[in-house]
Amino acid sequence: GQQLNQSPQSMFIQEGEDVSMNCTSSSIFNTWLWYKQDPGEGPVLLIALYKAGELTSNGRLTAQFGITRKDSFLNISASIPSDVGIYFCAASDNNDMRFGAGTRLTVKP
Amino acid sequence: SAVISQKPSRDICQRGTSLTIQCQVDSQVTMMFWYRQQPGQSLTLIATANQGSEATYESGFVIDKFPISRPNLTFSTLTVSNMSPEDSSIYLCSVVQWNEQFFGPGTRLTVL
Repeated sequence: GQQLNQSPQSMFIQEGEDVSMNCTSSSIFNTWLWYKQDPGEGPVLLIALYKAGELTSNGRLTAQFGITRKDSFLNISASIPSDVGIYFCAASDNNDMRFGAGTRLTVKP
Repeated sequence: SAVISQKPSRDICQRGTSLTIQCQVDSQVTMMFWYRQQPGQSLTLIATANQGSEATYESGFVIDKFPISRPNLTFSTLTVSNMSPEDSSIYLCSVVQWNEQFFGPGTRLTVL
């Protein structure tokens, strides 16, 4: 199926900086999810969003489900070295799951 | 969240051989999936593993190449048959529980 449009593709930031990444789609979805994948591991679910306009936080992470149901963003505040990894957005509708291409985050101490 | 284990965690195989990957979940789940993640890429769905019936394959994937078993609600296997170097990838088992999708740690396959 069609992939989601995730940006940016990669980010190089200084420790302590805030990070923002987003995903868009031409289709409407009922659920948006954000995953983080460390090297050699499977993706780990960070945040799940179920309602248009929903804003959810998980520690330093904040994600929002866009009002149009076609987009979502993920913010990471005060980044730390262990935030390094690849972040994937995903969206689903009736068990049809799509993934973004991923955002590779590098945090310089 | 569902706890998913996969075996083996990694393997190096010769061209033309087959490898069976096992996925075990710590609770019964209706929906289990197999994904492939090629180096530096996102996740591509191979098939949905259906309990008691044949797996449902996505476009570009066929049963002869990727036979799947799902004998019960906590276990599934994926076989990568007649391997070639192009099959080198990470293979991930995934389940849906409480409307959220969880992934196993992956099996890193290298085909020489």
